[in-house]
Amino acid sequence: NAGVTQTPKFQVLKTGQSMTLQCAQDMNHNSMYWYRQDPGMGLRLIYYSASEGTTDKGEVPNGYNVSRLNKREFSLRLESAAPSQTSVYFCASIIGQGGYGYTFGSGTRLTVV
Amino acid sequence: AQTVTQSQPEMSVQEAETVTLSCTYDTSESDYYLFWYKQPPSRQMILVIRQEAYKQQNATENRFSVNFQKAAKSFSLKISDSQLGDAAMYFCAYKRGVQGAQKLVFGQGTRLTINP
Repeated sequence: NAGVTQTPKFQVLKTGQSMTLQCAQDMNHNSMYWYRQDPGMGLRLIYYSASEGTTDKGEVPNGYNVSRLNKREFSLRLESAAPSQTSVYFCASIIGQGGYGYTFGSGTRLTVV
Repeated sequence: AQTVTQSQPEMSVQEAETVTLSCTYDTSESDYYLFWYKQPPSRQMILVIRQEAYKQQNATENRFSVNFQKAAKSFSLKISDSQLGDAAMYFCAYKRGVQGAQKLVFGQGTRLTINP
């Protein structure tokens, strides 16, 4: 089925460990996004990629890096995980010119202990 | 920068009744889009309804409708004939209408409980 695929769905890390969250879309969308969701704070933008080969910081980029590997894939990396990065992470891509919002992945629940 | 505010962290309603979720936003733009997303316990984000700012008519999707007050920068969601399956987190979101990186700005969310 067409859509946005995120892996993994769940992950537990120890403080200081690194990991990469993977995201791929098969809808030929240009723009892709990474958000984090925390209770009482809604979804906050971490990084985004307006097109293949470009990435930009969002509202809360500290502690993260991203790679837009190709038009389909947009990965998020935590180099040295901290408990403050415990959150639910969503990848999304924009539909057309954005008038219909995003298509979201199913999310990754990350716990850093 | 644009901001979106949902002032009701939690709401509850009796099954079959009507409930309204509030959302206000701040922008200096005249061209933009507004959205309501539903997030059930499965965590999936589902688009409920959308509104284009240049359209005066309020959007409607079956039991879901909005009250869009552009001058007041208000965008409330009305759910009629509430059903148990409507229980979820609801997020209001804003997007500028111009081209380029089309970022959505989200409100804090409202948790809706449906009482049987």
